[in-house]
Formats: sequence, C-alpha cells, structure tokens
Amino acid sequence: AQTVTQSQPEMSVQEAETVTLSCTYDTSESNYYLFWYKQPPSRQMILVIRQEAYKQQNATENRFSVNFQKAAKSFSLKISDSQLGDTAMYFCAPREGGGSEKLVFGKGTKLTVNP
Amino acid sequence: NAGVMQNPRHLVRRRGQEARLRCSPMKGHSHVYWYRQLPEEGLKFMVYLQKENIIDESGMPKERFSAEFPKEGPSILRIQQVVRGDSAAYFCASSQGSANEAFFGQGTRLTVV
Repeated sequence: AQTVTQSQPEMSVQEAETVTLSCTYDTSESNYYLFWYKQPPSRQMILVIRQEAYKQQNATENRFSVNFQKAAKSFSLKISDSQLGDTAMYFCAPREGGGSEKLVFGKGTKLTVNP
Repeated sequence: NAGVMQNPRHLVRRRGQEARLRCSPMKGHSHVYWYRQLPEEGLKFMVYLQKENIIDESGMPKERFSAEFPKEGPSILRIQQVVRGDSAAYFCASSQGSANEAFFGQGTRLTVV
C-alpha cells in the first residue's frame, strides 16, 4: 500500500506571493497518477491539478504548477500569485492502479493566505 | 451537468441505529468511490464500485458496513448499529473510468450521539 507524507501541517503566505507545498509518497508501481485536491472550509473536495507519472513534463494549471521528481517520489505544488480564495486544506493523493484506482491521501497542509 | 450529489448533508443517529448515505454520480459516470474523513485527517478509501459490482472493498470495516451501486438509482453506503467512532464526514466520488479523475460530492457529515 502507498504511504503519503505531507510534512508541512500548516503554512501561511501573503497575498500575491508564491508558496510551495511538499509531498512525498511511496509506491512500487511504475505508472500511476498524482493529484492535488483542495478542501476549503465548505469541505468540498476540489481537484487542483493532476500529473501522469509517465510524463516528464510538469503539469501546469493557471497559477498552479507541480514539481514532479519521479525518482525521488516527490510531488510538490507551487501556487503563484496567491489569492485569499486559495485558503484551504491541500491534499496530495497518488492513485493506485492495478484495478483499484483508489486515491491515497496525505494528512494535508492547511494553507492560509493573508491580506 | 450536475455534480456528484450526496444526501443527506448532515445525519444524526443514536448509537445502535442504522445510517444510510446516498450518492448520485455525475451523469455518464459509472465508477463510484466512498471515502471517510475523520477530524484533522485526510480522506481514507473505503470502497470502489461499478454498476452492480464491488471492485475493491479493502478499506471497508469487516462488520456493520456495506455498500451497493445498483443498476438503477444511487450508490448507498449503509452503516448498521452505528457507534460513536463512526462519526465522520463520508465523501463519494465518481469518474467515467479508471483512467479519469474523480469528482467529489460535498460529503455527508454523520454524527452519532
């Protein structure tokens, strides 16, 4: 089974600045997907960005980008030009294959964007 | 296209009662996943279903918990004889297929008193 470590329980950033959230994971699979989800106070789980492990190019989605280091099993999320609405819990979640396709979530990082 | 719909949003049950949580996947989605989130924790996988089939139930407690996804109608997560430790937020997610991303519902917060 996969394990996911998000080593920063809480982080804060000033509005308009850049912040990076870290994530490491453990897997024996060679092909898999990785996701970042955000959970604002409303508790809704919102997909932020996805990365396919066989792709070397890092995924980018507007102000969100990842730094995917497959050999190191690292998958960090960078948020540029932080906005107040980015305040939320952020969860890193690799997805296992092999017919299960379940997401394995880390414990999350609580991000606060300050005005 | 409506998102994943879960109901009820909040459910209060007394110890020993049954809880039934419903999940209607997004239109065109035939894969459903249930996750549980305890306070201050990430989501934990419970079960993965396709229409009329349980694909992976490795995260389901061995007793009192069951799930189904019938040919017609929503997916149901059923918890019999609830205990206080079952209090949590239960999330459903759906996808078009195993290679596609999953979209989550807003969750059902179960409180056992």
